[in-house]
Amino acid sequence: NAGVTQTPKFRILKIGQSMTLQCAQDMNHNYMYWYRQDPGMGLKLIYYSVGAGITDKGEVPNGYNVSRSTTEDFPLRLELAAPSQTSVYFCASSLGVLRVWYFGPGTRLLVL
Amino acid sequence: RKEVEQDPGPFNVPEGATVAFNCTYSNSASQSFFWYRQDCRKEPKLLMSVYSSGNEDGRFTAQLNRASQYISLLIRDSKLSDSATYLCVVNWNTGNQFYFGTGTSLTVIP
Repeated sequence: NAGVTQTPKFRILKIGQSMTLQCAQDMNHNYMYWYRQDPGMGLKLIYYSVGAGITDKGEVPNGYNVSRSTTEDFPLRLELAAPSQTSVYFCASSLGVLRVWYFGPGTRLLVL
Repeated sequence: RKEVEQDPGPFNVPEGATVAFNCTYSNSASQSFFWYRQDCRKEPKLLMSVYSSGNEDGRFTAQLNRASQYISLLIRDSKLSDSATYLCVVNWNTGNQFYFGTGTSLTVIP
């Protein structure tokens, strides 16, 4: 049982480059989330999805985009990387809005 | 005032000690509360939900104080393996917004 998987585990980007962070879950969860965690800060919600084809902004969506074409996948796109996007990105999924979240192992991103 | 606040610590306690963390929240309409545990460079994992009447899971006890708007986590008989960062999570009204605290760092010393 893989749970929530994320790729890549680590990436270095140059300013202005683009990339997609991949997230997949095999638990048939409707809800999926993208968070970022900066040192000494709490997790901040970037985007979330309540089902295939439905996405919505979280607390810090600027500079990111998402799509949800299937229940399993929820990729996060960075279009023009900036140093402020250096962070650890966690994808999570849950069965419902007030249910337990299952987090992926995270993607560490460094923008130079 | 921040939506969710935690004392960052660090809390350094000897094995066998009892330690308690508090987490205050600003929205009186919040309904769901959780404690997550995060090991160094790992993802958060659910430790326990927090119920209105308080709940216990082995050495861990969670309490909710709605009047003062805080939740607490009590760990009894601390083990070395309890060393981690403990995150409190609070929902915002009934929507999909949840707020994470910055976490409280615990180190249990032999």
